[in-house]
Amino acid sequence: ELVLTQSPGTLSLSPGERATLSCRASQSVSSAYLTWYQQKPGQAPRLLIFGASSRATGIPDRFSGSGSGTDFTLTISRLEPEDFAVYYCQQNGRTFGQGTKVEIK
Amino acid sequence: EVQLVESGGDLVQPGGSLRLSCAASGFTFSSYEMTWVRQAPGKGLEWVSYISSSSGDIIYYAESVKGRFTISRDNAKNSLYLQMNSLRAEDTAIYFCARNSHNWKFDYWGQGTLVTVSS
Repeated sequence: ELVLTQSPGTLSLSPGERATLSCRASQSVSSAYLTWYQQKPGQAPRLLIFGASSRATGIPDRFSGSGSGTDFTLTISRLEPEDFAVYYCQQNGRTFGQGTKVEIK
Repeated sequence: EVQLVESGGDLVQPGGSLRLSCAASGFTFSSYEMTWVRQAPGKGLEWVSYISSSSGDIIYYAESVKGRFTISRDNAKNSLYLQMNSLRAEDTAIYFCARNSHNWKFDYWGQGTLVTVSS
C-alpha cells in the first residue's frame, strides 16, 4: 500500500519568505500522477500542481513543483498572505499525504 | 462556468443510510470521470470512490468503505451519487465531489456536504 509522507507537519514563516514542502512516497511513483492541492479553512481543496511540476490554470508562478521517484517538493518562492493554508500531495488520484500547514510566524 | 454542488448530508444514526448527490453544470458531465473525497473534522483528505466517464462501468472504492458505499452517475441528470449504508461514526466527514481531469488531477471541487453519524 502506497503511503505519502509530508514534511514538515507545520511550517511557520513570514510573508515574503520561501516555503519548501516535501512529499515522500513509500515506493517509487509516476511523476505524471503526482498532484498538489491547497486548502484554506472552510473551503474545498484547490488544484495547484499536476504532473509533479505543471501549474494548474490561474496558479501564480511563485508556486512550483519538482521531484521524481519517491521525493517530491512544492516550493512557494515568496509567500503572500493568501498562501497561508494547508497543502496536500496526492498520487494517482487516490492516496493523499497527511498535509503540511503553512502558518504565519 | 464549471460548478459542482453536493447535497444530502445530514445527521444519521450508526447503521443508517444516506444518499449524497452532486449536481454538475458548465461542462459535458458524461465525458468526465468523477470522484468522492471526504474530510473528517480537523483531519486530512481521504479518497473515497471513483467512477469512470460515460457508462461508469469502472468503479473503485477505498477499503474503508468497500461493501457499504455505492457510487453511481446519471448522465441525463448531470448528477453523481454516493449511496452510503451501514454508516459508522468514523464516516463522519465533509464529503466533496470532484471532477477528474486528465491524469488523475481533480480540477474542480464542490463545496462539500456534511455527514454526521451519531446516536
